Amino acid sequence: AQSVTQPDIHITVSEGASLELRCNYSYGATPYLFWYVQSPGQGLQLLLKYFSGDTLVQGIKGFEAEFKRSQSSFNLRKPSVHWSDAAEYFCAVGAIQGAQKLVFGQGTRLTINP
Amino acid sequence: EAGVAQSPRYKIIEKRQSVAFWCNPISGHATLYWYQQILGQGPKLLIQFQNNGVVDDSQLPKDRFSAERLKGVDSTLKIQPAKLEDSAVYLCASSPTRGALNTQYFGPGTRLTVL
Repeated sequence: AQSVTQPDIHITVSEGASLELRCNYSYGATPYLFWYVQSPGQGLQLLLKYFSGDTLVQGIKGFEAEFKRSQSSFNLRKPSVHWSDAAEYFCAVGAIQGAQKLVFGQGTRLTINP
Repeated sequence: EAGVAQSPRYKIIEKRQSVAFWCNPISGHATLYWYQQILGQGPKLLIQFQNNGVVDDSQLPKDRFSAERLKGVDSTLKIQPAKLEDSAVYLCASSPTRGALNTQYFGPGTRLTVL
């Protein structure tokens, strides 16, 4: 069974600073990997996903993520954060067999200092 | 296009009472998911439908939770009787078809508080 670990429960960065959110996964085969964002009172929105090919994936809102098989990681990055990026971020891994369901990490809450 | 609709947005009940949540997916989406998101945790899949059939309900507490998707469109999730530990946000999502690669579109959720 697949699993996801997001080591950082809460991160605070200043507006305009760079951001990296960590994600480590466990899965026996090549995974499908996702990053979702959840703003207060709203549902989750897909930022980006990886399933094959180029290991650097571009997403919406200026986010990117890099798949590193050797480290079982899929870290999310943004070169310069905006106050509107304050939200909860979830990494997820999808199985390519069976019910092909998503398993989410526990999330990282991002706070932006002005 | 309209997103995933859920109602109610908030619900407060006492333990041992019953409650039902409703979800209307994006038009044409064959796959529908119900997730439970406990405070401080990521969403956990409860049940997945493909049209009106159940694909996966391995994490649904079947002694108290039930779900249906009649006619393969909207869906209802019921809890009877509720326990304190059922306090959570219940998220509904839909995707065009099955498969982990398909983007899931989430509704705003129903926040349940069990007293």
